[in-house]
Amino acid sequence: AQSVTQLGSHVSVSEGALVLLRCNYSSSVPPYLFWYVQYPNQGLQLLLKYTSAATLVKGINGFEAEFKKSETSFHLTKPSAHMSDAAEYFCAVSQTGANNLFFGTGTRLTVIP
Amino acid sequence: DTEVTQTPKHLVMGMTNKKSLKCEQHMGHRAMYWYKQKAKKPPELMFVYSYEKLSINESVPSRFSPECPNSSLLNLHLHALQPEDSALYLCASSQGTPGYGYTFGSGTRLTVV
Repeated sequence: AQSVTQLGSHVSVSEGALVLLRCNYSSSVPPYLFWYVQYPNQGLQLLLKYTSAATLVKGINGFEAEFKKSETSFHLTKPSAHMSDAAEYFCAVSQTGANNLFFGTGTRLTVIP
Repeated sequence: DTEVTQTPKHLVMGMTNKKSLKCEQHMGHRAMYWYKQKAKKPPELMFVYSYEKLSINESVPSRFSPECPNSSLLNLHLHALQPEDSALYLCASSQGTPGYGYTFGSGTRLTVV
């Protein structure tokens, strides 16, 4: 069965600093991996996805993530944090043949001015 | 149209009431989903409809009754809910294959009194 683990329920960074949100997956077969962002009282917005086409995936709002099979990781990064990046971030996984999406527990990103 | 529209945005209902949540998409997606999200928690899958047929029911109590009248609409009928059912209810749609990710609506904030 597939699952994802997000290390750190809360991450704080200064404005302009590097953002690094961690996600590790557990899957017996190559997974599809996603990062979603959720602003307060809103739905989830897809930031980026890994579908085996390329290991470095670029998404919206300057975010990117790198799929590392040897580390079973799919960490989300952004070179320079902006105040508008403050939100909840969810890593998620699905697999070939499975029509559902499993979410990690989420990481709340705080950006300090 | 690249949106999933959910109505109402907020709903307060008593434990003896009957109400319905509505979800609509016009992206031609063939799979639609209901998720429940409690505060500070990740979304939890409730139901999956694929080609207008219920394909997954994650052991949801019968006081929640989904309905998919056509490929664009998804309803969630609510009856005799409990206060612990208060949550954000999210609808999502997808092309039905795992690699594309889901498009989420902004949710209905439900409060049961």
